[in-house]
Amino acid sequence: DAKTTQPNSMESNEEEPVHLPCNHSTISGTDYIHWYRQLPSQGPEYVIHGLTSNVNNRMASLAIAEDRKSSTLILHRATLRDAAVYYCIRYISSGSARQLTFGSGTQLTVLP
Amino acid sequence: GAGVSQSPRYKVAKRGQDVALRCDPISGHVSLFWYQQALGQGPEFLTYFQNEAQLDKSGLPSDRFFAERPEGSVSTLKIQRTQQEDSAVYLCASSLGARGNTEAFFGQGTRLTVV
Repeated sequence: DAKTTQPNSMESNEEEPVHLPCNHSTISGTDYIHWYRQLPSQGPEYVIHGLTSNVNNRMASLAIAEDRKSSTLILHRATLRDAAVYYCIRYISSGSARQLTFGSGTQLTVLP
Repeated sequence: GAGVSQSPRYKVAKRGQDVALRCDPISGHVSLFWYQQALGQGPEFLTYFQNEAQLDKSGLPSDRFFAERPEGSVSTLKIQRTQQEDSAVYLCASSLGARGNTEAFFGQGTRLTVV
């Protein structure tokens, strides 16, 4: 199955770091790993992406396992505004195929 | 515009009716995707355009679903003879490039309810 596997839900306290795990054991060498988040009644919003190396941006960090079969999204200091469904995605790029393959996502709850 | 725009935001259709959903991507974006999102589920891929070429339509659930992007900008997703199982949010996304190293920008979606 091309879909990623994530925990259904996680909780975090405000101002603490959050580590959101994802398994993508069937990933191929050309697939990028993307993370998006979605608020109710909104479209998904880009968070970060990477291929092999760990990545940092203003929103988060992405740690990719050496074998690329798993990754972890790191929010360094969770705020109430970070409460959302977080999707770990395989960006499939093979021949003419281009797909962002979503899993079922992790509902993150941030406690004040 | 500043982002991806979809219209209408909400659509109620009677079973058997045809509907057309519009997506205005960010200007200059090469790639355009359509997704279907059922309540409580992650988005499911429907189809992909690179400019005006529909390169991947493997996710379209039946021949009642048809998408086009004739001039490589605006895209329309058409559903013929709508069924209740077509009720979902339809999301459009665009990206500047055609490879996985570019981010995709999603619209707010069109919520289709078939009654």
